[in-house]
Amino acid sequence: DIQMTQSPSTLSASVGDRVTITCRASESINNWLAWFQQRPGKAPHLLIFKASSLESGVPSRFSGSGSGTEFTLTISSLQPDDFATYFCQQYKSFPWTFGQGTKVEIK
Amino acid sequence: QVQLQESGPGLVNPSGTLSLTCTVSGASINTNNWWAWVRQAPGKGLEWIGEIYHSGSTFYNPSLQSRVTISVDMSDQFSLKVSSLTAADTAVYYCARATVERLIDLWGQGALVTVSS
Repeated sequence: DIQMTQSPSTLSASVGDRVTITCRASESINNWLAWFQQRPGKAPHLLIFKASSLESGVPSRFSGSGSGTEFTLTISSLQPDDFATYFCQQYKSFPWTFGQGTKVEIK
Repeated sequence: QVQLQESGPGLVNPSGTLSLTCTVSGASINTNNWWAWVRQAPGKGLEWIGEIYHSGSTFYNPSLQSRVTISVDMSDQFSLKVSSLTAADTAVYYCARATVERLIDLWGQGALVTVSS
């Protein structure tokens, strides 16, 4: 199985901050990577697919980059709604696997 | 607007079988999508369980394959069964829709299943 490792596990930030989350794959997944946001008690919500494509309806302050084994999710200016947990997921090789999550907390 | 909703018992006995149904509203299962199950143990990350196409083709996570069955019940429902349950199977179970490229683009709200006597 492809292992997905996110860093950091927890991130403390303030409204307006630029935030970057990293996801590393144990082998190349080309650009078959998605990012999800999960608020407490809620289902995950797709933000980014194919590493850098913004899902329809997702604010443009979210962006993704990377290919191969290293990827980043950036929130350009953190908003109150963005305090949540973020997961990456590879969908190149079966079984599809997720990172362990990064919790973005209020500083 | 397509929506997914999980339903089923919230408490099941150890060594028993978990059965959940996902009802799809706003669309038919007979579309060019895969229909998946993903779970999340308390305080843990997400684990993909398996998926099914409307034709009946299935893929399962090898870590769970011996205990899992996913099936299409009706044109708007698909289901999950997990047998030989232990406390480690306690989790929120999500049903989801995936594209032909296997991108999960829609999730249900999730159903908490607790394995306990």
